[in-house]
Amino acid sequence: AQSVTQPDIHITVSEGASLELRCNYSYGATPYLFWYVQSPGQGLQLLLKYFSGDTLVQGIKGFEAEFKRSQSSFNLRKPSVHWSDAAEYFCAVGASGTGRRALTFGSGTRLQVQP
Amino acid sequence: ETGVTQSPTHLIKTRGQQVTLRCSSQSGHNTVSWYQQALGQGPQFIFQYYREEENGRGNFPPRFSGLQFPNYSSELNVNALELDDSALYLCASSFDANEQFFGPGTRLTVL
Repeated sequence: AQSVTQPDIHITVSEGASLELRCNYSYGATPYLFWYVQSPGQGLQLLLKYFSGDTLVQGIKGFEAEFKRSQSSFNLRKPSVHWSDAAEYFCAVGASGTGRRALTFGSGTRLQVQP
Repeated sequence: ETGVTQSPTHLIKTRGQQVTLRCSSQSGHNTVSWYQQALGQGPQFIFQYYREEENGRGNFPPRFSGLQFPNYSSELNVNALELDDSALYLCASSFDANEQFFGPGTRLTVL
């Protein structure tokens, strides 16, 4: 069965500092990987996705993530955090293949940004 | 292009009651997935509908049921509500389900 682990429940960074959110997945085949962001009381917004090809993917709002198959990781990074980035971040894995499969989410990392 | 919409926004029910949540998929999408997000947790997959047929189900009891209509909108029905059913219910639509677009959710409170 597929699973996602986000080891950091809560992270606090200063505005302007760099950010890395960790994600480890367990999946038996080639995974489809996603990062979503959720503001309080809101739905999920897709930040970026990895299906295949270049292992460094760029997303919206200046975020990027790197797929490392050997480490089963898909960490999210941003070089300079803005106060508006404060939110909950979820990593998710889906099945490749036929394309109609459930997403499995991690438990999330809450990001707090200090002025 | 209209995104995924859900109704109602908030809902309060009592134990034992039944509830129906609605989702309108994004234009051009034929797959709808439903997720339950308990407070402080990540979303958990309930089930998915593709072209009006259930296409997969997570670890939820049969009192969670759904429908998809010819226009690809969808309903989630929950019977015999329990306190633990209190959560944010998220609907996601897609054409290829590996890229899912989420609605704002329905917050259900069971008292």
